[in-house]
Amino acid sequence: AQSVTQLDSQVPVFEEAPVELRCNYSSSVSVYLFWYVQYPNQGLQLLLKYLSGSTLVKGINGFEAEFNKSQTSFHLRKPSVHISDTAEYFCAVSGNRDDKIIFGKGTRLHILP
Amino acid sequence: NAGVTQTPKFRVLKTGQSMTLLCAQDMNHEYMYWYRQDPGMGLRLIHYSVGEGTTAKGEVPDGYNVSRLKKQNFLLGLESAAPSQTSVYFCASSPPSAAGEYQNTGELFFGEGSRLTVL
Repeated sequence: AQSVTQLDSQVPVFEEAPVELRCNYSSSVSVYLFWYVQYPNQGLQLLLKYLSGSTLVKGINGFEAEFNKSQTSFHLRKPSVHISDTAEYFCAVSGNRDDKIIFGKGTRLHILP
Repeated sequence: NAGVTQTPKFRVLKTGQSMTLLCAQDMNHEYMYWYRQDPGMGLRLIHYSVGEGTTAKGEVPDGYNVSRLKKQNFLLGLESAAPSQTSVYFCASSPPSAAGEYQNTGELFFGEGSRLTVL
């Protein structure tokens, strides 16, 4: 069975500074990995995904993530954050032969002025 | 385009009452999911379906039942509501891979959520 650990429940960062949100997964099979974003009082939307191929994945709003199989990680990064990036970010995993999609507990990104 | 629609959006129940949450999607997706979201717990999978007429248990299925009689609808039922079921419920749907294989891409399209309070 797959599982996801998001190491930080909250991350404060100054506007225009870089940010990294950490995600580690556990799986005995090949995986698909995802980052979703939830803005206040909204549903979730997909930021980016890793299915196969290049380990560096680019998503919307300037975010990117790198799949590291040896460290079982899929950390999310952005070189310069904006106040509009204030949201909760969820890492998710699915085995590529499994229909379950399991989420981490989320990381709340606080942008400081 | 409606996408994924959940009804109702808000509901207050008394302990022991029953109710059904309806999820409807107009994207012809095979896969549908019900999650609950609680503070500090992220999203936890309740039940899911890989196609019309199928259902399967997720991480936290106890106290819930589901049905997928039509491909576009996925119903979540609470037979006897408990305060521990106070939560925000999200429905999501997902298409199969582009290759046409019976394989989930894992890309979820979410509804806006249904906030349920059980007193």
